[in-house]
Amino acid sequence: AQKITQTQPGMFVQEKEAVTLDCTYDTSDPSYGLFWYKQPSSGEMIFLIYQGSYDQQNATEGRYSLNFQKARKSANLVISASQLGDSAMYFCAMRGFNFGNEKLTFGTGTRLTIIP
Amino acid sequence: GAVVSQHPSRVICKSGTSVKIECRSLDFQATTMFWYRQFPKQSLMLMATSNEGSKATYEQGVEKDKFLINHASLTLSTLTVTSAHPEDSSFYICSARDPTGTGNTIYFGEGSWLTVV
Repeated sequence: AQKITQTQPGMFVQEKEAVTLDCTYDTSDPSYGLFWYKQPSSGEMIFLIYQGSYDQQNATEGRYSLNFQKARKSANLVISASQLGDSAMYFCAMRGFNFGNEKLTFGTGTRLTIIP
Repeated sequence: GAVVSQHPSRVICKSGTSVKIECRSLDFQATTMFWYRQFPKQSLMLMATSNEGSKATYEQGVEKDKFLINHASLTLSTLTVTSAHPEDSSFYICSARDPTGTGNTIYFGEGSWLTVV
């Protein structure tokens, strides 16, 4: 079974500051993928960044970077230079790569509010 | 542009009626699609895995006869909420994985807001 834990239900961050959203996971799969999605109030799920369990380097996508610490089973999302448009719900998710385990398991999410 | 399209985005139906939500993969063929449900201020909960050409695999606690899933083609999966009740009001969202891509090519539809009155 897979489990994702997001311990921050809500965060308030000043505009232009960096923010770290926490995510820890648990899985018995030897190979897996970790995702971060942004969900604005409209409901759509916007893919932000992906980290494979065997990737040697931490993933980066523009202002988003993933601080992957495999031994600690953590995959924190770092948003640099936050903007007002970053205010949204953020979900961490994972999937295994074993057959029959392709579904995504989501954490409970963190509501990020950027303060002007 | 969107690679997974979901329709309708919003639907209101009367209690006791059925409503169908479509999920289409636009740029790829998806042998597997996933249907999630999300209550307000909560996370996405997987309802079922939709398998092209075969029966859907439902998660524990999800009523198969109430949430009918059909995956008749490689680009279309439908979720039908039968005999809808107000407690079925929720946000429903589908996802599909592009099998030709890497492990991160999982795309979501825009989601569908269902209100049962």
